[in-house]
Amino acid sequence: NAGVTQTPKFRILKIGQSMTLQCTQDMNHNYMYWYRQDPGMGLKLIYYSVGAGITDKGEVPNGYNVSRSTTEDFPLRLELAAPSQTSVYFCASRRDRVTGELFFGEGSRLTVL
Amino acid sequence: QQQVKQSPQSLIVQKGGISIINCAYENTAFDYFPWYQQFPGKGPALLIAIRPDVSEKKEGRFTISFNKSAKQFSLHIMDSQPGDSATYFCAASANYGGSQGNLIFGKGTKLSVKP
Repeated sequence: NAGVTQTPKFRILKIGQSMTLQCTQDMNHNYMYWYRQDPGMGLKLIYYSVGAGITDKGEVPNGYNVSRSTTEDFPLRLELAAPSQTSVYFCASRRDRVTGELFFGEGSRLTVL
Repeated sequence: QQQVKQSPQSLIVQKGGISIINCAYENTAFDYFPWYQQFPGKGPALLIAIRPDVSEKKEGRFTISFNKSAKQFSLHIMDSQPGDSATYFCAASANYGGSQGNLIFGKGTKLSVKP
C-alpha cells in the first residue's frame, strides 16, 4: 500500500518557468490537499478538493492551480514560477471531513532561481 | 480567529526528561485537535488527537492535555528519547455547517532530545 505518492522529490526552476507537481493516492480518499511548508511558518493550505471535479482555494492559492479529474490524482500547477514559490510542497489526503487523520506524501522540494 | 499559536519554536530536552509543547486558539468552533510529528525529509504523520469532550488523552509516552475554558492544549512527551527528535505541529479544525474541516496548523516546534 503506497499511500500518498508525490513526484518529483526535488526540482529547480528558473523564474517564469512552469511545472506540475504530481500527487496520487491509492486509499480511495475523497479529500485531497496541497500544503506548502516554509521554515518556521508551519503548513499553509494552497488548494483542496472534496472529490473528483471539485476544488477550492485554501489560504495561499495565488500563483497555483489544481485539477481533480479522478479520485486518485490531484496535480498542482505552477504557471509562472517566482522565487517566493521556493518551498517544500506536501500533498495529503483523508477519507472524509469527519475522519480527521491526514496522510501526507514525502514532499517535493522546489527551488526557483 | 483562524490561527493556532504554538510555543516554543524550539526545545532542547535531556534524555528521560519531559517535553512540553503548548498551543492556543481563538475559534470556539474548533472541535478536533491533532498533533503531527515530522522527521527530516519526511511528511508529517498523525501522532495523537483529541476532541473537546475529554480533558486528557494518553497514548504510551504521549499525552494531550486540553483546557476548553482557556482555549489551550498541550503535548507532553514523557521519558523523552533521542528518537523523539522531530518537529511537532499542533492543529485544529471545525466540522460545522459549511466548513470543510480543513486543519489549521501551528508553526511547529523543533524538539531535540540530547542523549
